[in-house]
Amino acid sequence: GAVVSQHPSRVICKSGTSVKIECRSLDFQATTMFWYRQFPKQSLMLMATSNEGSKATYEQGVEKDKFLINHASLTLSTLTVTSAHPEDSSFYICSARDRGVYTEAFFGQGTRLTVV
Amino acid sequence: EDQVTQSPEALRLQEGESSSLNCSYTVSGLRGLFWYRQDPGKGPEFLFTLYSAGEEKEKERLKATLTKKESFLHITAPKPEDSATYLCAVINDKIIFGKGTRLHILP
Repeated sequence: GAVVSQHPSRVICKSGTSVKIECRSLDFQATTMFWYRQFPKQSLMLMATSNEGSKATYEQGVEKDKFLINHASLTLSTLTVTSAHPEDSSFYICSARDRGVYTEAFFGQGTRLTVV
Repeated sequence: EDQVTQSPEALRLQEGESSSLNCSYTVSGLRGLFWYRQDPGKGPEFLFTLYSAGEEKEKERLKATLTKKESFLHITAPKPEDSATYLCAVINDKIIFGKGTRLHILP
């Protein structure tokens, strides 16, 4: 299967600071990327969908000014959590699809964000 | 509203005890159904894609089947290393996940 690399795997930041998470597709072109948030023992909650070169589409209830998503190239998307607060602590996972070749989405390893 | 429901929420089996996990869905414009495995603290790992009713796919001890309303993930003679959360997802314009089934195989 295709490989999606997510970095960092863990990050601890102070309340009020911003954190950037990177998601890269290593061996395919990710025309679409998804960002999810997952709480312990809960399923994946879709935050936003981004197509390369376009603005991200956010799910209802997700603050677009707080969770900035950039998908500037076919292999890279970033999620920036701005002015992080302890309630933003969670497991963030990206996934990527190439509509032209695959329909399934492949996932990164996830990022454990802890805001102190 | 598009929905994916997985059952049971959690399942404990003895090693070698076969069982099935269920994924029922109500989705408009279904393009496919995915099964993933997720280990604690890791991203989901892709297992299968099913596209049409009647389709079946197998991988080692796992077999996935699809009908017009649901999918089953059959686990034959499971081993402790099969313990994980199994996620079902359907795709139309989005990928919609169920809440998963936490499977624990006892040695």
